[in-house]
Amino acid sequence: EVQLVESGGGSVKPGGSLRLSCAGSGFIFSNAWMSWVRQAPGKGLEWVGRFRSKADGGTIEYAAPVKGRFTISRDDSKNTLYMQMNSLKTEDTAVYYCTTGGDWGQGTLVTVSS
Amino acid sequence: QAVVTQEPSLTVSPGGTVTLTCGSSTGAVTSGHYPYWVQQKPGQAPRTLIYDATNKYSWTPARFSGSLLGGKAALTLSGAQPEDEAQYYCFLSYSGAPWVFGGGTRLTVL
Repeated sequence: EVQLVESGGGSVKPGGSLRLSCAGSGFIFSNAWMSWVRQAPGKGLEWVGRFRSKADGGTIEYAAPVKGRFTISRDDSKNTLYMQMNSLKTEDTAVYYCTTGGDWGQGTLVTVSS
Repeated sequence: QAVVTQEPSLTVSPGGTVTLTCGSSTGAVTSGHYPYWVQQKPGQAPRTLIYDATNKYSWTPARFSGSLLGGKAALTLSGAQPEDEAQYYCFLSYSGAPWVFGGGTRLTVL
């Protein structure tokens, strides 16, 4: 059974930083293109970024609102995807999901507030 | 950036059939946009029902089907059940913007 488990969410002040993790199991993590998707309270889904598998080039892509502030990385030896979030803004408040497209984690809540 | 459009809300009767659509501001939606359909119920994580326009996962109920119809991606629900009441999102792939989500369709079964 595929499982994706996010962690690392919490409350932070504007300008602060957080690091999210997503641990995968039940599939060949190193072959997966992994994405982060977020959902602000009461709003729709928004793609944040994607890390292609190393075998497919390992390209990392970001949505415009987070480019330059968020950094996605992966450790295939630990089956884990990360997202370092710096210079956080109030508009980054959301539940953050990691996903392969087909499978989704349960999400982790990030709240940015003064 | 491209804009993906969905009906804001639709209503279907129990046992009825409804089609949700997913359009693109750049023109016709094709298989090259690799359309996905995702279901989300209140307080729950999203669950993907359809990928690459027409393909189902093992957990996708048989009453859901995906297609390309009239320049849009479409999700058809045949034989709606009360538990199908949910928010449905499509997302499309574009060069330079791997996934662009639509605003979602709130489906009511009434």
